[in-house]
Amino acid sequence: QKEVEQDPGPLSVPEGAIVSLNCTYSNSAFQYFMWYRQYSRKGPELLMYTYSSGNKEDGRFTAQVDKSSKYISLFIRDSQPSDSATYLCAMKGLTGANNLFFGTGTRLTVIP
Amino acid sequence: EAEVAQSPRYKITEKSQAVAFWCDPISGHATLYWYRQILGQGPELLVQFQDESVVDDSQLPKDRFSAERLKGVDSTLKIQPAELGDSAMYLCASSLGLAGTDTQYFGPGTRLTVL
Repeated sequence: QKEVEQDPGPLSVPEGAIVSLNCTYSNSAFQYFMWYRQYSRKGPELLMYTYSSGNKEDGRFTAQVDKSSKYISLFIRDSQPSDSATYLCAMKGLTGANNLFFGTGTRLTVIP
Repeated sequence: EAEVAQSPRYKITEKSQAVAFWCDPISGHATLYWYRQILGQGPELLVQFQDESVVDDSQLPKDRFSAERLKGVDSTLKIQPAELGDSAMYLCASSLGLAGTDTQYFGPGTRLTVL
């Protein structure tokens, strides 16, 4: 079993829809949770960063972490065609070598 | 805005040949990472440097892969000999340090195709 599980999709939604992306994990040592966005043939770019449990909002994006369920989510409101990309969840622990553990990524297409 | 630079962006090679990738991290970033991303999967760490020292290379196939960061700035990842299964995107990332709050910033990657 992989340490981080993510539904690979693909996910296709109409413009303006609310998008929900999710990951589950098995390692209770994970404390930092991130969402990266990766456009085709590009490197991942950091979208959201959350420490421990709770919610964080940035514009149209909201990240949620539920450590009791080992479950994290990213919500995108009023989705735009420019949001079409692969979204990768990533996480790491408090100590150690700062290694990031990634999900497989969910490919999202927002249809105009 | 400072960025992680990588070259080449694309590399096509035949199996058994040697290939090398270069990475220049964001200025002032002490920690440098090399990841491999197979199509349809998330990146997986190959090797991590703190300055010029290797912090973690437990996932680096050392029989054919090598990495160095001689002066603690830029870094080179080498594969010799390349195999068909090495076809992937090779990503370089850097961060200020090893603290959990230190964000990793990724370069554009080198897409390797082994024929």
